[in-house]
Amino acid sequence: DGGITQSPKYLFRKEGQNVTLSCEQNLNHDAMYWYRQDPGQGLRLIYYSQIVNDFQKGDIAEGYSVSREKKESFPLTVTSAQKNPTAFYLCASKTTGGGTDTQYFGPGTRLTVL
Amino acid sequence: GQNIDQPTEMTATEGAIVQINCTYQTSGFNGLFWYQQHAGEAPTFLSYNVLDGLEEKGRFSSFLSRSKGYSYLLLKELQMKDSASYLCASVNSGYSTLTFGKGTMLLVSP
Repeated sequence: DGGITQSPKYLFRKEGQNVTLSCEQNLNHDAMYWYRQDPGQGLRLIYYSQIVNDFQKGDIAEGYSVSREKKESFPLTVTSAQKNPTAFYLCASKTTGGGTDTQYFGPGTRLTVL
Repeated sequence: GQNIDQPTEMTATEGAIVQINCTYQTSGFNGLFWYQQHAGEAPTFLSYNVLDGLEEKGRFSSFLSRSKGYSYLLLKELQMKDSASYLCASVNSGYSTLTFGKGTMLLVSP
């Protein structure tokens, strides 16, 4: 089946540790995105990538890093510099044909930092 | 920049009709999406509007007025499973990213 996978569904880490969230897609989409969602908040863009080996900062990139070495994969690292890392993290992808292209979302990873 | 406003919460009764509004202020308009998100799950695509008017898809319809910077999502024949958060998102200039509103939590009661 084609789709976007994120693992794990739930992740717990101690304060001060870096943690990497995985996102894989087999939809042959060029663009991939990472969002953060906090209770009662909309989705806020962390990083996005429109092509392999290139990515851009979103609205809240501080304390996060990404890589895009393969078209299918866009891992997000939450570093110890991120002051409030506990949140629901969503990955999305789409083609880059134009504005009508819909972003499709993975199931999300809920990160809790203790 | 982009600014999107939608009500925080709405309640409705099973079988009824509900309209969820979204207003936006953008520096360049390239279209507007509606997504549905159940608690703890991924958002799923409902509709996309770029031209003025109403787009109907079964029980769900979406309306856009570009001159007023206004959209709404209309849900008919409400079912319990429609209890979810509904996210409005505008397409940013360059077409590469979306700006999301905070979402409207809809609670459908028996």
